[in-house]
Amino acid sequence: QLQLQESGPGLVKPSETLSLTCAVSGVSVGDFSYYWGWVRQAPGKGLEWIGSIYYTGSTYYRPSLQSRLEMSVDISKNYLSLRLTTTTAADSGTYYCARHQKFDWLYAFDVWGRGILVSVSS
Amino acid sequence: QSVLTQPPSVSGAPGQRVTISCSGSSSNIGGGYDVHWYRQVPGEAPKLLIYGDIHRPSGVPDRFSGSKSGSSASLAITGLQAEDEADYYCQSHDSRLSGSNVFGTGTTVIVL
Repeated sequence: QLQLQESGPGLVKPSETLSLTCAVSGVSVGDFSYYWGWVRQAPGKGLEWIGSIYYTGSTYYRPSLQSRLEMSVDISKNYLSLRLTTTTAADSGTYYCARHQKFDWLYAFDVWGRGILVSVSS
Repeated sequence: QSVLTQPPSVSGAPGQRVTISCSGSSSNIGGGYDVHWYRQVPGEAPKLLIYGDIHRPSGVPDRFSGSKSGSSASLAITGLQAEDEADYYCQSHDSRLSGSNVFGTGTTVIVL
């Protein structure tokens, strides 16, 4: 059964780097059939697409985050990673990793992790 | 601020039909990009409800249907049930600024 599980620190100090991983089970992140992505949700707010990545390392980032964002895949360990530098309180929220239905980042997200709550605060 | 606008809330009595609109522009929905819909119960992860404008994933009841016309899309829920009370989001792609996936502002469905 396909499962995604986010992990990382629940608290990050302002200006520091937020690093999250997403462990994938049930399918290889190296499967050419799928793109993978990250979505976040500020407390009480709507969903916000962060970026998407293919197993080749090809990435598409939210333009407003592009200068601070780095996403990667580790095929050997079967997980995804997200790094967001120079964080502020506006980066607080629940972060989800998710799978695109097919091999294009325009496809819908059909499988989601449970999410991880991150707070950026001193 | 999202480029896809949804009403903050819609409500209906059990058994009724409600629709949720998702209004975009020529750079997203009107540009022919697919629209997807998600349902999110507070405290839980979103769940895919409709993909590619009109298609339901396996396991989604046929009470849920999607449509698209011009620069707008809609999600209809017929035979409203108490369990349908949740937040609903549309999603599409916007071709501006090097391209970006975008979500709608979200709509809370209230079952009276």
